[in-house]
Formats: sequence, C-alpha cells, structure tokens
Amino acid sequence: DGGITQSPKYLFRKEGQNVTLSCEQNLNHDAMYWYRQDPGQGLRLIYYSQIVNDFQKGDIAEGYSVSREKKESFPLTVTSAQKNPTAFYLCASSIVLRSNRELFFGEGSRLTVL
Amino acid sequence: GESVGLHLPTLSVQEGDNSIINCAYSNSASDYFIWYKQESGKGPQFIIDIRSNMDKRQGQRVTVLLNKTVKHLSLQIAATQPGDSAVYFCAESNDYKLSFGAGTTVTVRA
Repeated sequence: DGGITQSPKYLFRKEGQNVTLSCEQNLNHDAMYWYRQDPGQGLRLIYYSQIVNDFQKGDIAEGYSVSREKKESFPLTVTSAQKNPTAFYLCASSIVLRSNRELFFGEGSRLTVL
Repeated sequence: GESVGLHLPTLSVQEGDNSIINCAYSNSASDYFIWYKQESGKGPQFIIDIRSNMDKRQGQRVTVLLNKTVKHLSLQIAATQPGDSAVYFCAESNDYKLSFGAGTTVTVRA
C-alpha cells in the first residue's frame, strides 16, 4: 500500500546530540513537509520541499536541517541548536505544493531529550 | 500568533448524537479551509475541505460550514460513533502554507 513511513517511532536523545528522523513516501508526491506538534497546540511547519534538491524554511526552522536528495525521502535532523526539541514530529506529503490542503501524514516520531 | 483557533479544547458527545466542532480564523485571504482528524498516536487524516467561495460542503456523515462574515468554520458530525473519538484540527490554506489550530478533543460517551 502507498503511504508515508516515519522512523523511528520513539527516540531518546541526550542534550547536545544531533538526531535524524527518517521520512519515506511511495506516493510519488512532489511536495514533502515536516511539522512539529506540542501538547495542546496545532501543528507548526518546520521545513517543506516542493521538488528534489530544493527546500524552504517554515515557521520554526531554527535548530533543524533537512535534505531532499531523492523524491521519496525527506529526512529531518534535529540539531543541538534546537533549544526545546522534545516533541512529536510529523512528516507529510502532497501531490504538489499547491495541493497542500490534502496532506498525507506519517504516523509520527516522538523525540524525547533526556 | 496563530491565525486559526478553536473555541473549545474538549467536547464530550453521547453516541448517536450530532457533534459540532467550531473554529475561528483571522486570515480573510485564505483560499481553503480544511478539517483533519487525529487519532491517538497517529498522524492527522484529511476529512473534508471547503473553498473560500462556498458556505457549505457535505461529505459522508460530515458537513463543513463556513461563515466568512464572522470568520467562523464548523464541522458537524452526524450520528457520532465511538470511532469518531479523536482530536480535530481546523486549518487554513494560504498559497503554499497550511496553518493549523490547536485542536478539539472529541470524546464519545457510550
């Protein structure tokens, strides 16, 4: 079945470490996104990419980095510069950037910084 | 601050009753408004959207109403079922950007 796969589902990190969250899609979608979700809050956009080798900062990009070397993959690195990294991270895709109202989400990765 | 918000963080509904989830928005330039459902431990799922030039749209058991005069959006769920228990997010689309509200947690009582 087509979909978005995020891994790992749970991740623990010590302060000062970088971690990379994986996101793979087999929907043949051009656009991919990373959102952060905190308790009691809506989703906030970290980065998005509308095409291979291109990506743009979202609202809260500081302390994060991404790459888009392949259409189906959009990994997110949470760097030690991110001051409050504990959160639920969601990857999503859409057919093209302007079809963003129907996003397909992965099951999320929960990052906890110890 | 966020441009999209929900009136109530929680809603408890008797099984079989209709649910109404409300949302206020502030960006009158948004071209689409969307509802997502998020079950515990999962990613959000698209439910229904409505274009800004419409005031009502119906789906299967769901109806979205848009009142641009007061910048209000609602999602009505008919004959609420236990499987409808989830967090519901409204979102608005402006060009490439989707802005989400904080969500309403719907609990269905048996």
